[in-house]
Amino acid sequence: QVQLVQSGAEVKKPGSSVKVSCKASGVSFTSYAITWVRQAPGQGLEWMGGIIPIFGTANYAQKFQGRVTLTADKSTSTAYMELSSLRSDDTAVYYCAYTPPNTIVWYAVYWGQGTLVTVSS
Amino acid sequence: QSVLTQPPSVSGAPGQRVTISCTGSSSNIGAGYDVHWYQQVPGTAPKLLVYGNNDRPSGVPDRFSVSKSGTSASLAITGLQAEDEAEYYCQSYDSSLSGSGVFGGGTKLTVL
Repeated sequence: QVQLVQSGAEVKKPGSSVKVSCKASGVSFTSYAITWVRQAPGQGLEWMGGIIPIFGTANYAQKFQGRVTLTADKSTSTAYMELSSLRSDDTAVYYCAYTPPNTIVWYAVYWGQGTLVTVSS
Repeated sequence: QSVLTQPPSVSGAPGQRVTISCTGSSSNIGAGYDVHWYQQVPGTAPKLLVYGNNDRPSGVPDRFSVSKSGTSASLAITGLQAEDEAEYYCQSYDSSLSGSGVFGGGTKLTVL
């Protein structure tokens, strides 16, 4: 069974950056992807981007291009999402999720527990 | 505003059948891309409910089924139960957007 464990809650100042980690276990060494989704308070789900750890290739939703950087460390099965130039409307729960290989729609089969990022001065 | 449109809310009595629509366009559902559905109970992470051609992860009852026609998809829930009260999201791919996934705005299901 795939398990995804995310880093803890963060409080950040506007203009700063945040880096959230997501450690995977129970995954085989295939071309799966780690997808990142966020959810602002009381709002819906928003697909941010994803990375295929074995290749290090990432793709991003247009809204987040230039502000989000996705990376992965194959040796520790850990993926990272870094969001820069934080604004108050970046306050949200950030989820990582396991996406099966070779799919056009990067959908989320297994989810991390979520990481609350609060942006406040 | 998402390119996939869902009704904000639907409701039904226990035992009834309800459907939740997900309306897209020729650049997403109408182009034949898969539609996936999630259920989210407040305060918890979303859960994959139905994926691809009516496939369900282990543990999801067959009361949940999906259909697709033209530029729209639908999630049907039969034998409605109190535990089905949750937010439901559809997801697909849109060729006019960068990235590999887009969600609908979500639908709140209330069991009366």
